Amino acid sequence: KNQVEQSPQSLIILEGKNCTLQCNYTVSPFSNLRWYKQDTGRGPVSLTIMTFSENTKSNGRYTATLDADTKQSSLHITASQLSDSASYICVTNNAGNMLTFGGGTRLMVKP
Amino acid sequence: ETGVTQTPRHLVMGMTNKKSLKCEQHLGHNAMYWYKQSAKKPLELMFVYSLEERVENNSVPSRFSPECPNSSHLFLHLHTLQPEDSALYLCASSRNRHSTNEKLFFGSGTQLSVL
Repeated sequence: KNQVEQSPQSLIILEGKNCTLQCNYTVSPFSNLRWYKQDTGRGPVSLTIMTFSENTKSNGRYTATLDADTKQSSLHITASQLSDSASYICVTNNAGNMLTFGGGTRLMVKP
Repeated sequence: ETGVTQTPRHLVMGMTNKKSLKCEQHLGHNAMYWYKQSAKKPLELMFVYSLEERVENNSVPSRFSPECPNSSHLFLHLHTLQPEDSALYLCASSRNRHSTNEKLFFGSGTQLSVL
């Protein structure tokens, strides 16, 4: 069964600090992995998409990594800002174009 | 703005009401989707339309009825809902249906409460 597990479920950090969010998946066969940011009361917005051959991709202060062997991905946020407070959702796409969504990590950045 | 607009943003309805959710995309995309996001649960795909034809229906109860009159508009008609149907309903679009590396563009959602 395709599953995407994210940790932690929630996280509180101080403004300016770095943090790393984790995603483990069991999707097979694997096609690509996406990270989305979802602000409260809004729809998710795409941050990165990585295929199995890519092991890192950056989008500003967001850097995603992918280890297709261990089926793990992480999203690293550098020098956090108050506007980074949101839910971060890991999504996998299998070769049959089925998307599997993780439950998300809720991040709160405090001043 | 993502180019996908949903109305209304908030909706409160009784179990005997009939209401409709509307989604419009200004991106020239060929595929549109309805997702349900319940509290503390992952997004669940409800319906997929590709070139105005329904291509996927993930065993959604018949009290939810989608309509796609053209490639820019998508509706979700609601009737005799249950309190457990309360959730955020998200519309999304993509250039083509869920193909590899295809990016999904989401609307802001309709927060539905069923009393």
